[in-house]
Amino acid sequence: DADVTQTPRNRITKTGKRIMLECSQTKGHDRMYWYRQDPGLGLRLIYYSFDVKDINKGEISDGYSVSRQAQAKFSLSLESAIPNQTALYFCATRGAGSHTDTQYFGPGTRLTVL
Amino acid sequence: GESVGLHLPTLSVQEGDNSIINCAYSNSASDYFIWYKQESGKGPQFIIDIRSNMDKRQGQRVTVLLNKTVKHLSLQIAATQPGDSAVYFCAERPSGGSNYKLTFGKGTLLTVNP
Repeated sequence: DADVTQTPRNRITKTGKRIMLECSQTKGHDRMYWYRQDPGLGLRLIYYSFDVKDINKGEISDGYSVSRQAQAKFSLSLESAIPNQTALYFCATRGAGSHTDTQYFGPGTRLTVL
Repeated sequence: GESVGLHLPTLSVQEGDNSIINCAYSNSASDYFIWYKQESGKGPQFIIDIRSNMDKRQGQRVTVLLNKTVKHLSLQIAATQPGDSAVYFCAERPSGGSNYKLTFGKGTLLTVNP
């Protein structure tokens, strides 16, 4: 969905490096989410934000941090990457008070930590 | 069919046939359900949703059925096409205080043979 963009789309890095994944949306949604997807495990929630001043941990936040720079931007950082953080990362958005509770996903970032 | 908890099952159908993908959910308090389609290399794409006060909802070539008695959700795709080949997964949202997040199933891989 072009309304939610993620950069980079692919990244290979080494253990111990700091990595930032960025997400931008033009949907005007106030709620943004970061997930990771691993084979056989489905999507798991890392962090979520209901507005610029609201940041919440999800089920697997250890080793990650986030920044909500603006309503449209939500970045995910790995302070010191480790191999088991190799995964597909998705950003998603949802509008508060919308007639549906659907989350809309970006195209994903494939991260490989060597 | 899939469950919010099982290994990724597969379904192979012939072009033109109808497909049925199943999902068993565990939380009887869930009040909202979504089906997503994920093509290779792309982010999950919303297909159709249903609230717990309904037992059936139809979209374009897709129908979602909800059986709350046995906590079962299904996605029916009519006249399946090669472009329908993807991983399909369901998501459930609990009612009440945790309604900010979705719990995702692991998915079913649908392969459409021409």
